[in-house]
Amino acid sequence: DSGVTQTPKHLITATGQRVTLRCSPRSGDLSVYWYQQSLDQGLQFLIQYYNGEERAKGNILERFSAQQFPDLHSELNLSSLELGDSALYFCASSVGQGPDTQYFGPGTRLTVL
Amino acid sequence: GQSLEQPSEVTAVEGAIVQINCTYQTSGFYGLSWYQQHDGGAPTFLSYNALDGLEETGRFSSFLSRSDSYGYLLLQELQMKDSASYFCAVKGGSYIPTFGRGTSLIVHP
Repeated sequence: DSGVTQTPKHLITATGQRVTLRCSPRSGDLSVYWYQQSLDQGLQFLIQYYNGEERAKGNILERFSAQQFPDLHSELNLSSLELGDSALYFCASSVGQGPDTQYFGPGTRLTVL
Repeated sequence: GQSLEQPSEVTAVEGAIVQINCTYQTSGFYGLSWYQQHDGGAPTFLSYNALDGLEETGRFSSFLSRSDSYGYLLLQELQMKDSASYFCAVKGGSYIPTFGRGTSLIVHP
């Protein structure tokens, strides 16, 4: 158990819908990262927050947005969902904002029908 | 941009030693990490190299050569439970983490 929690574990929805994924980092960690992993693909970095501020942005679609709240939990919002958005979404946390170890949550499996 | 290359699959027998290579291209460099991921599970951190040389953690070792933009993960005394995907990852000058596509390690009895 990494100490990072993600909810929900599974999510099934239809095209065009909007969903929110939630992540709580390990106690003491200030950075939260979001990743997308499609079938047989590597981890695609989406976005990082550090202590409530956006720190780095990857190839995140405009339909996707995220935020980190004062209690450091983070939410990833996915809207106008398409079939291709079906994937595992992982959240990870780390102590700082630099190149330190990331601890991954169990992931949310999103299925768009 | 940043990119990493690693083999897609490696097979070995129980008890053997296997090496998974990773070459990278990045502007700025803050270290090479390795993660293990079992099917459907979360990636877990294995090791991190910021400086050249070998880092050893139990049965796993990781090596880095910054001049060659190259690293490898060495797994010794392979066990069936080591069958998993292994990802190398770098953070470049922009602090954006980039992961390789992963190497599927299959351990045979």
